[in-house]
Amino acid sequence: NAGVTQTPKFQVLKTGQSMTLQCAQDMNHNSMYWYRQDPGMGLRLIYYSASEGTTDKGEVPNGYNVSRLNKREFSLRLESAAPSQTSVYFCASTPRGGTVTDTQYFGPGTRLTVL
Amino acid sequence: DQQVKQNSPSLSVQEGRISILNCDYTNSMFDYFLWYKKYPAEGPTFLISISSIKDKNEDGRFTVFLNKSAKHLSLHIVPSQPGDSAVYFCAASLVYGQNFVFGPGTRLSVLP
Repeated sequence: NAGVTQTPKFQVLKTGQSMTLQCAQDMNHNSMYWYRQDPGMGLRLIYYSASEGTTDKGEVPNGYNVSRLNKREFSLRLESAAPSQTSVYFCASTPRGGTVTDTQYFGPGTRLTVL
Repeated sequence: DQQVKQNSPSLSVQEGRISILNCDYTNSMFDYFLWYKKYPAEGPTFLISISSIKDKNEDGRFTVFLNKSAKHLSLHIVPSQPGDSAVYFCAASLVYGQNFVFGPGTRLSVLP
């Protein structure tokens, strides 16, 4: 099992460009999450998908869109990148979802720089 | 205003000694807490959890203590090993909530 995979690992964008961060899990997990981590701050939830076909906003959703393509894949799109979106992005999944007692498994992260 | 605080950005400990990482929270409604460990260029990995009905939970070398009245939890690692060198995140939630609030992390260095 690869667990949770994310592509790309690194990306540099110019302000106004768009891009999609990809995430896939091969553990048959129900719920998937996107976080961002900024220096001096903890992980902050951007969006999550409790189950295939559903998505919900987290703490910091502005400037992002998501798609739960199928049970395995959950993508994060930046339509018009801004320097404030420079961050490390983590995708995570949980077996059942719907409860915080469900262990989250994280991908290795995507380091995004917006110039 | 951060709801979960880890006031020590870094901590250095000698191998074999105890490492104590601290976390404070402001929301008295939080009733479920986690610690994650993160190595460079990797995602966080779950370490240990505790619910508010307990004041202590142990898993091998790792023990988490919860003081609800002080809104404080701590992670003890005994004995500390060089492989424990990582960033440790504390996180808090409502048990029936959907999401966690994470602290900013503490970088632990265990010196041989």
